[in-house]
Amino acid sequence: GAVVSQHPSRVICKSGTSVKIECRSLDFQATTMFWYRQFPKQSLMLMATSNEGSKATYEQGVEKDKFLINHASLTLSTLTVTSAHPEDSSFYICSADPGGYYGYTFGSGTRLTVV
Amino acid sequence: LAKTTQPISMDSYEGQEVNITCSHNNIATNDYITWYQQFPSQGPRFIIQGYKTKVTNEVASLFIPADRKSSTLSLPRVSLSDTAVYYCLVETGANNLFFGTGTRLTVIP
Repeated sequence: GAVVSQHPSRVICKSGTSVKIECRSLDFQATTMFWYRQFPKQSLMLMATSNEGSKATYEQGVEKDKFLINHASLTLSTLTVTSAHPEDSSFYICSADPGGYYGYTFGSGTRLTVV
Repeated sequence: LAKTTQPISMDSYEGQEVNITCSHNNIATNDYITWYQQFPSQGPRFIIQGYKTKVTNEVASLFIPADRKSSTLSLPRVSLSDTAVYYCLVETGANNLFFGTGTRLTVIP
């Protein structure tokens, strides 16, 4: 089946530094990918929609200068958390639609801890 | 976007059938209903998708009445490994997914 690979699975960074998270569709092309954030015991919240070859679309309240999204190819989207702060600590998940009748495919998530 | 409403949590004993109902009163004609399962610290995983009536696969069944304003996910003979959060989503042609609260299912030995 369709696979979305997300790396790293866990990252700890110091406050003020930047962290890049990669999301790759391994066996299908994805012109659009989605980035979610999930806090403990809460649901997934859509942050932004990544579009190959064009600018990402951000949801209301999400700072586009803080969460930089690049979708340079049909199989790779990256999310960079810039100048990270402890409140950015969360579980970040990407997804893409491989087509067909099996819904969306999600990455395994990235646990970001900012210290 | 069609909003979904599900019970926040459910408990079930091992071996029982579990039915989780989701309401989606504002579902549009072209919308599909999809259920996902999420374990802690993992991304959601597709369970089943349907448009109307009944759909069954190797892990679950999905029942959708004629008015499509609700749907019921049925998990036969649950085991401890089915303890997870289950999300009901209405997928639109707009190509994005908004997650509701989900239902936290706890399977008890």
